Amino acid sequence: QKEVEQNSGPLSVPEGAIASLNCTYSDRGSQSFFWYRQYSGKSPELIMSIYSNGDKEDGRFTAQLNKASQYVSLLIRDSQPSDSATYLCAVTGAGRRALTFGSGTRLQVQP
Amino acid sequence: NAGVMQNPRHLVRRRGQEARLRCSPMKGHSHVYWYRQLPEEGLKFMVYLQKENIIDESGMPKERFSAEFPKEGPSILRIQQVVRGDSAAYFCASSPGQGRDGYTFGSGTRLTVV
Repeated sequence: QKEVEQNSGPLSVPEGAIASLNCTYSDRGSQSFFWYRQYSGKSPELIMSIYSNGDKEDGRFTAQLNKASQYVSLLIRDSQPSDSATYLCAVTGAGRRALTFGSGTRLQVQP
Repeated sequence: NAGVMQNPRHLVRRRGQEARLRCSPMKGHSHVYWYRQLPEEGLKFMVYLQKENIIDESGMPKERFSAEFPKEGPSILRIQQVVRGDSAAYFCASSPGQGRDGYTFGSGTRLTVV
């Protein structure tokens, strides 16, 4: 079982729709959770962090965490073509001090 | 604030040569992480360093790869006797503490072994 799992996609949504990206993790002791965006040929860019159960909103982005289900998600409202990128979920484990990344979900927003 | 600086941006090496990748963390950041990314794949952790110390090298291949973060100067990822399978993007990230607030990534070094 992979430590951090994401559907590779591509996830295709029309412009203006809500994009929902999901991630599951295997380490129950995980404490910090992050979403990064990576455009093709570029480096990852941190867009959201979440540490406790529930929702965290920042502009058009909402991160959701459910530690009991070992599940974290990212919602992007009013999706724009510029949101087309690969979204990487990252987790820090209880005993591990470096981030473990999922393989990423490729999002395509159709104009 | 110049951010995390990596150089070179692109590096071409022949099989058997050595590759040296450099990373200068953001000002005020003392924690450095190296990741490797193969085409169409996620980021794979390699090594986590603080000044003069390797904290976690569990992701480093046992042979040919080494990393350091000296008291003065950038962190160096060194790959000896490169093979075609080493071709990848190598990203460095830094954080001020143990990364609770996430990392800042550099632009990466694209290594091509010919």
